[in-house]
Amino acid sequence: DSGVTQTPKHLITATGQRVTLRCSPRSGDLSVYWYQQSLDQGLQFLIQYYNGEERAKGNILERFSAQQFPDLHSELNLSSLELGDSALYFCASSSAGGSYNEQFFGPGTRLTVL
Amino acid sequence: AQSVTQPDIHITVSEGASLELRCNYSYGATPYLFWYVQSPGQGLQLLLKYFSGDTLVQGIKGFEAEFKRSQSSFNLRKPSVHWSDAAEYFCAVLTGGGNKLTFGTGTQLKVEL
Repeated sequence: DSGVTQTPKHLITATGQRVTLRCSPRSGDLSVYWYQQSLDQGLQFLIQYYNGEERAKGNILERFSAQQFPDLHSELNLSSLELGDSALYFCASSSAGGSYNEQFFGPGTRLTVL
Repeated sequence: AQSVTQPDIHITVSEGASLELRCNYSYGATPYLFWYVQSPGQGLQLLLKYFSGDTLVQGIKGFEAEFKRSQSSFNLRKPSVHWSDAAEYFCAVLTGGGNKLTFGTGTQLKVEL
């Protein structure tokens, strides 16, 4: 158990809908990262937040957004969902903002878009 | 651009045999390298990491990896594989100023009893 929690574990929804994925980092960690794992794209970095501020952005679609709240939990919002958004979404956390610390991964949320 | 290549998509070994999973990276600066394992339906668990110093690093579950700068490689090894090692293994490099992990495509390990 990494100490990173993600809810829900599974999510099934329809095209065009909007969903919110939630992540709670390890106690004391200030950085949260979101990754997407899909069959065609593999594991890809989406976005990082550090202590409430966006720190780095990767291959995140404009239909996707994220935020980190004062209690340091983070939410990833996916809207206007398409079939291709079906994937496993991981959250990770680390203690620092960008000084090459290891990242601890949660169990993931499996999103299925029908 | 930074990248990680895992040339073997699938590998099958017999239980008790030795294992080597290959990883090559492309990164201009000093690489910070990781190996993660993902069991079916599970998240990513860190096996080991290389930041600096000794080029042979030890990890959990009896795994080790050797960093070879001249070959841009960070291969994962285990002297004797157990059936429970069957999983997918990902090599990754920390890039973007230390903010993001760039992953390889993974190697699926099957262990024959």
